[in-house]
Amino acid sequence: KAGVTQTPRYLIKTRGQQVTLSCSPISGHRSVSWYQQTPGQGLQFLFEYFSETQRNKGNFPGRFSGRQFSNSRSEMNVSTLELGDSALYLCASSLSSASYEQYFGPGTRLTVT
Amino acid sequence: AQTVTQSQPEMSVQEAETVTLSCTYDTSESDYYLFWYKQPPSRQMILVIRQEAYKQQNATENRFSVNFQKAAKSFSLKISDSQLGDAAMYFCAYRSRKTSGTYKYIFGTGTRLKVLA
Repeated sequence: KAGVTQTPRYLIKTRGQQVTLSCSPISGHRSVSWYQQTPGQGLQFLFEYFSETQRNKGNFPGRFSGRQFSNSRSEMNVSTLELGDSALYLCASSLSSASYEQYFGPGTRLTVT
Repeated sequence: AQTVTQSQPEMSVQEAETVTLSCTYDTSESDYYLFWYKQPPSRQMILVIRQEAYKQQNATENRFSVNFQKAAKSFSLKISDSQLGDAAMYFCAYRSRKTSGTYKYIFGTGTRLKVLA
């Protein structure tokens, strides 16, 4: 069974631009969670989608948004990029929103200059 | 709000020796999960071990075991017979066991484990 895939793996953007990251969960998994990982803050939860609905949301500004499609693939969008948005963005999939077991993707390394 | 604290930013262990990584957490809930995740330099995070709070018995997975002290809100990870492949960042994580409403994973800031040959 293929694992969680994330595209692109690396991205360089300029302040003020916007970016869209993509995550394809494991086949059959319907829940997708997004995390921001930085050296100082560790992993911080962004949001979770299940059946195309946002179920949970972390404490991030509205510039961070996401969506999930009917095939469970998810996208995360960051608008008006700031230098502090430079991070590794991880996606994790699980069977359902209630499942405790998450499977992580390799991440997208975003650098904002 | 729940918090997870890993007070050891970095640890080193000699190959074949045993090392213990510490984790403390704070919650007002009585039913929850605790996890240890491993993130090798390639960055794909994988689950190492899981503990359900209602279980008194400490979880064990091969060379990995935990010391779960619910009253003290402590959840340490012991790695026995350390191998070079154990070198990674280790994250402690908390998740409510609720199946409805809002809940999310809370991660610690991680402990980088170095294994010395």
